[in-house]
Amino acid sequence: EIVLTQSPTTMAASPGEKVTLTCRASSSVSYMHWYQQRSGTSPKLWIYETSKLASGVPNRFSGSGSGTSYSLTINSMETEDAATYYCQQGSSYPNTFGAGTKLELK
Amino acid sequence: QVKLLQSGAALVKPGASVKMSCKASGYTFTDYWVSWVKQSHGKSLEWIGEIYPNSGATNFNEKFKGKATLTVDKSTSTAYMELSRLTSEDSAIYYCTRWTYYGLFDYWGQGVMVTVSS
Repeated sequence: EIVLTQSPTTMAASPGEKVTLTCRASSSVSYMHWYQQRSGTSPKLWIYETSKLASGVPNRFSGSGSGTSYSLTINSMETEDAATYYCQQGSSYPNTFGAGTKLELK
Repeated sequence: QVKLLQSGAALVKPGASVKMSCKASGYTFTDYWVSWVKQSHGKSLEWIGEIYPNSGATNFNEKFKGKATLTVDKSTSTAYMELSRLTSEDSAIYYCTRWTYYGLFDYWGQGVMVTVSS
């Protein structure tokens, strides 16, 4: 199974700050998908196929990467961005998720 | 719009089974795989398995083979997951999701909290 390692585990960012979350795969994957989960709610598809923003996602978010290294970037942190972000690969069975990065507002 | 409406929370005794439902609307149910995902308290997400409503074909994470049974009722656009021989390790929130091409989950149900306790 492909193991996804996210870093950092937790971080805090100030409004306006640039934020980068990373996800490393134990084997090469074709695409990486990202989900946002706020406390007490279901995960939401946030970025798909590595760099495409899901419907309604602000364009301050972006995704990039290839092979085994992927990242999600927030150009300018806003209050509403505080949440846990999970990466996920569907290139090979079983589908796997990273452990998540909890992003807090400083 | 696409919706996945899951059944309510369940409190079950160790050793028992639980069956939960996921009613789909807003799309052609038989065209997309339905996956199930486990989220233990405060932890990450684990993919349990998937079912293709059109044929009933299933795929499972090895870890959940023998634990989870997936079925569908095409007449009501509802997917079901039954978990058997429950232990405290099965206490979690279970989500149904719609799986689409490139291996992503584009819509999620609201989740079912299962608590295993005597």
